[in-house]
Amino acid sequence: EAQVTQNPRYLITVTGKKLTVTCSQNMNHEYMSWYRQDPGLGLRQIYYSMNVEVTDKGDVPEGYKVSRKEKRNFPLILESPSPNQTSLYFCASSSKRENNEQFFGPGTRLTVL
Amino acid sequence: GDSVTQMEGPVTLSEEAFLTINCTYTATGYPSLFWYVQYPGEGLQLLLKATKADDKGSNKGFEATYRKETTSFHLEKGSVQVSDSAVYFCALDKFYFGSGTKLNVKP
Repeated sequence: EAQVTQNPRYLITVTGKKLTVTCSQNMNHEYMSWYRQDPGLGLRQIYYSMNVEVTDKGDVPEGYKVSRKEKRNFPLILESPSPNQTSLYFCASSSKRENNEQFFGPGTRLTVL
Repeated sequence: GDSVTQMEGPVTLSEEAFLTINCTYTATGYPSLFWYVQYPGEGLQLLLKATKADDKGSNKGFEATYRKETTSFHLEKGSVQVSDSAVYFCALDKFYFGSGTKLNVKP
C-alpha cells in the first residue's frame, strides 16, 4: 500500500530535550516536505527536499533541522525544543512530475512542556 | 510571491444544504490547483485537482473550476452530508496552502 508513515504519532517532551520525528514514504517520490498546523494559521511549510541531499527552508524553519540521506526518509529534528513548537506536524511526499498532488502522513502531535 | 487565500471558517450548514468555499490565488505562470480534505484526527488527502484554465475537478460530489480570469478555484457541493464535516484546504502547486476552512454539517 502506498503510504507516508510518521513516528511517533504523539509525543510529550520537555524544553531542551532533543527529539526526532521520522518520516518515510514507499512511493519513490522525489519531493518531501514538513509542515506544522496550528489553529488559525493553517499549514505552514517548515522544510522541503527536492531529492536526496537537497533540502531548503520553507516559511518557518527556525528551530528545526532536516536531512535527506535516503530517498524514502526525511526526518525532522528539533535540537532544543521550546513550548512554541507545540503543534501538529505533517510530512508529505510527491512526485517531481508536474501536477502531482502531495501524499500526507497521519500527523505527529507534539507537546513541549 | 505565490499565495492562496480562502474564506475563513467555520462554516456551519444543515444536511442537504449547498456549499461554497471560496479560494483565490496569486501566482506567476500556470499553476495546478488542488483541494485537500482533512477529516478529524487524520492527515490531508486529495479531494480534487485542476491543472489548467477552465478545467473542472470533481470527486465525491464536490466540484471546483479553475478560473484564470478571476484567479479563483471555489469548492462547491450541491447537497452536503454530515460525513462531509472536515477541514478543507485550497492549494497551489506543491507547497502553497490556504489557511483551511472548517465545515460543520448538522443533521
